[in-house]
Amino acid sequence: AQSVTQLDSQVPVFEEAPVELRCNYSSSVSVYLFWYVQYPNQGLQLLLKYLSGSTLVESINGFEAEFNKSQTSFHLRKPSVHISDTAEYFCAVSLISNDYKLSFGAGTTVTVRA
Amino acid sequence: NAGVMQNPRHLVRRRGQEARLRCSPMKGHSHVYWYRQLPEEGLKFMVYLQKENIIDESGMPKERFSAEFPKEGPSILRIQQVVRGDSAAYFCASSPPGGDNTEAFFGQGTRLTVV
Repeated sequence: AQSVTQLDSQVPVFEEAPVELRCNYSSSVSVYLFWYVQYPNQGLQLLLKYLSGSTLVESINGFEAEFNKSQTSFHLRKPSVHISDTAEYFCAVSLISNDYKLSFGAGTTVTVRA
Repeated sequence: NAGVMQNPRHLVRRRGQEARLRCSPMKGHSHVYWYRQLPEEGLKFMVYLQKENIIDESGMPKERFSAEFPKEGPSILRIQQVVRGDSAAYFCASSPPGGDNTEAFFGQGTRLTVV
């Protein structure tokens, strides 16, 4: 079975500073990879996903994540954060053969301060 | 276009009572998924339903838990005789028929507290 580890539970960061959220996964077969974001009092929203092709994927609001097969990682980065990026971020994987069944990490809470 | 709607947002039940959690998928969506998030843990898959069918219930506890998605109305996750260990956030997601299962939209969740 696949599993996901998010190495940091809390990440405080100053506005306009870069941020990296680490995600490692474990699976014996090929997977799809996802990052979801949950803003306060809202549902989870898909931020970006890797299915195939280019290992670097980007979101519309400046986040990017790189799939590294040899290190089984899918770290999320943003070069300059805003106050509005304060949220909880979840990394998730699914098997290609069972793409509806997501396995989530425990989440990383990002708090952006002015 | 409303998103996935879950109600209630917060639910308090005494041990032994029943809990009913409702999920209305996005308009046009016929696939529904339920996940549970225990404190300090990630979301765990429970069940995948299509209209009037349970497709995959491999994540459902064997007893006391059931789910349905009738032809009309919301999907219901039912927990009978709740215990303290059922306290968690329960999330519902939906995706369109014949569409991309990797584009599931999530609701805000129902936070169940068993006292």
